[in-house]
Amino acid sequence: RKEVEQDPGPFNVPEGATVAFNCTYSNSASQSFFWYRQDCRKEPKLLMSVYSSGNEDGRFTAQLNRASQYISLLIRDSKLSDSATYLCVVTHRNSGNTPLVFGKGTRLSVIA
Amino acid sequence: GAVVSQHPSWVICKSGTSVKIECRSLDFQATTMFWYRQFPKQSLMLMATSNEGSKATYEQGVEKDKFLINHASLTLSTLTVTSAHPEDSSFYICSASTANQPQHFGDGTRLSIL
Repeated sequence: RKEVEQDPGPFNVPEGATVAFNCTYSNSASQSFFWYRQDCRKEPKLLMSVYSSGNEDGRFTAQLNRASQYISLLIRDSKLSDSATYLCVVTHRNSGNTPLVFGKGTRLSVIA
Repeated sequence: GAVVSQHPSWVICKSGTSVKIECRSLDFQATTMFWYRQFPKQSLMLMATSNEGSKATYEQGVEKDKFLINHASLTLSTLTVTSAHPEDSSFYICSASTANQPQHFGDGTRLSIL
C-alpha cells in the first residue's frame, strides 16, 4: 500500500465548477502536508500548505483531518488554467530539508 | 523566489552511455539536495538525499553504484546514471533546500535511453 493515496481521476469538469480532491496518508507520524500542482512534463510547484485549521488561498481551500489522516483540496470557480495533476504531499519532519512523500496525483481537466 | 537550475532538460542516448545531470541552486546555499525519479503515470519517488560534503543516502532499491551522486558544494549536486539502459528512462528531478526553506525544484531532466 502506498503511503499517500489519491484517486487518479481524471476529473473532467466544466469551467466554473467546484471540484474536490481527497487524499489519505498512512503514516500517523507525518508532520507537514501540502498540495502541489504538476503540469505535464514539468516540475511540481507548491500550491499551498495544509493545516488542521483549514486554509484558503483565493479559489483554493485545503483541509487536514489528522484523526482520519485525510487531506482535501477544494477548487471553486474552476478555470481552464487549473487543468493539471494535483499532488498530495506529506513529510515526516517539520523542516525544509526533509524529503517529500508524493501521492500519484489526481488529474484535473477543466473544459470550456 | 529561489531558483534551482537543472541541466540538461532532455537527454536521448544509446544504451550503455553514462549521463550526468547537474542541479544548481542559483541564489541560496542548499545544505540538502534531493533527487527524485518519476516514471510515467507514477508518483515522484525519492532516490537519494544528498548533504554537502558527505555521502548521499540512498533509498531502498536504488543502486548507489549505478546512480552516482556528488554534492561537492552548497550550490551544486550532480547525478550520474552510469551505463544507462532503457529501463532507466524516466523523469529525473532535483530539489534544493535548507532547514528553514521549503524545497525548490529544478525543471527536471527527461532521460530517454534507446
